[in-house]
Amino acid sequence: AQSVAQPEDQVNVAEGNPLTVKCTYSVSGNPYLFWYVQYPNRGLQFLLKYITGDNLVKGSYGFEAEFNKSQTSFHLKKPSALVSDSALYFCAVRQNAGNMLTFGGGTRLMVKP
Amino acid sequence: KAGVTQTPRYLIKTRGQQVTLSCSPISGHRSVSWYQQTPGQGLQFLFEYFSETQRNKGNFPGRFSGRQFSNSRSEMNVSTLELGDSALYLCASSLPAGAYEQYFGPGTRLTVT
Repeated sequence: AQSVAQPEDQVNVAEGNPLTVKCTYSVSGNPYLFWYVQYPNRGLQFLLKYITGDNLVKGSYGFEAEFNKSQTSFHLKKPSALVSDSALYFCAVRQNAGNMLTFGGGTRLMVKP
Repeated sequence: KAGVTQTPRYLIKTRGQQVTLSCSPISGHRSVSWYQQTPGQGLQFLFEYFSETQRNKGNFPGRFSGRQFSNSRSEMNVSTLELGDSALYLCASSLPAGAYEQYFGPGTRLTVT
């Protein structure tokens, strides 16, 4: 069975500082990894994905994520946080055929001015 | 392209009733997945439909069912509603094969009283 862990319920960062939201996964075989963001009263918005290739993946709104196979991690990063980045972030993994995503519990990012 | 649309956006039902939620995928997307989001359980996969066939199913009781029509629109039904079914129900669509991300609708907020 596949699983995703987001060890931090909340991450606080000052505007302009770099941010990291952590994610580790467990899956047999090659993982397909995704990050989504959810704003209040909204659905999930796709940020980026790792399928294969370069371990550093660039996505929307200046976000990037680093895939580390040995540590089974896929941490989300941004060099300079904005107040508008404050939201709920979800890491997800997909395995094999079909579109069944397994999500982590979510991390609330708070960016303070 | 228009995004994923879900109707209704909000719904209040009484315990024991049944409910039907509707989802229209992005044009050209033939895979539709449903997820339940609750504060306690997080995001959980319900089922996925492709070409009018259920391709994957999550660990939910038989009270939860779905279907997909020839135009890829999908509906999910919950019978004999329980208080614990109160949740945000999210629909997502994607291209049917390969490592494609899913695009989520805004969700239907179901409250069971």
